[in-house]
Amino acid sequence: KAGVTQTPRYLIKTRGQQVTLSCSPISGHRSVSWYQQTPGQGLQFLFEYFSETQRNKGNFPGRFSGRQFSNSRSEMNVSTLELGDSALYLCASSITSALTFRGADTQYFGPGTRLTVL
Amino acid sequence: EDQVTQSPEALRLQEGESSSLNCSYTVSGLRGLFWYRQDPGKGPEFLFTLYSAGEEKEKERLKATLTKKESFLHITAPKPEDSATYLCAVQAITGGFKTIFGAGTRLFVKA
Repeated sequence: KAGVTQTPRYLIKTRGQQVTLSCSPISGHRSVSWYQQTPGQGLQFLFEYFSETQRNKGNFPGRFSGRQFSNSRSEMNVSTLELGDSALYLCASSITSALTFRGADTQYFGPGTRLTVL
Repeated sequence: EDQVTQSPEALRLQEGESSSLNCSYTVSGLRGLFWYRQDPGKGPEFLFTLYSAGEEKEKERLKATLTKKESFLHITAPKPEDSATYLCAVQAITGGFKTIFGAGTRLFVKA
């Protein structure tokens, strides 16, 4: 079974530009979460999508947005890039079904997209 | 507020020197606690899910245990290839399936 895939793996942008990152979850997984990881802040939760709806949201400005398609694939967009947006962006998928074992929903991560803002 | 604290921040071991990593958590009600391993520049790799106090899980040289307030990741006779950052995370009963991560413990194993 293929794992979570993220594209592109590396991106270099300049301040003020916008960027779109893509995530394909494990087949059969309905939930996709996005995280930002920096050396100083660790893993910071951005948002989670389930059945094309945003289910949870972290404390990030409105420049960060996302969406999920009917096939569970998800995209994340960052507008008006700032230097501080340079980070590893991670996507994670989970099953989130009514039969999820004992009610906890294990997340499986992709390799990440390394974004550098110059 | 739901919170996860990992200690120590960094741990340096000699090959074969067993030790434990700690994950303390505060949640209104625990759905599950997760351990991940992360190598530099890569996505976290899933290791274990623990659901209730008293539960234990093992994988090769790793053993995870859970109490009502903390979890331990025991590393027995570590090898240099065990060097990585180990992340702990929890899902609470409230807040849907939102997952909260600790800052991680960086493990260095010297041959």
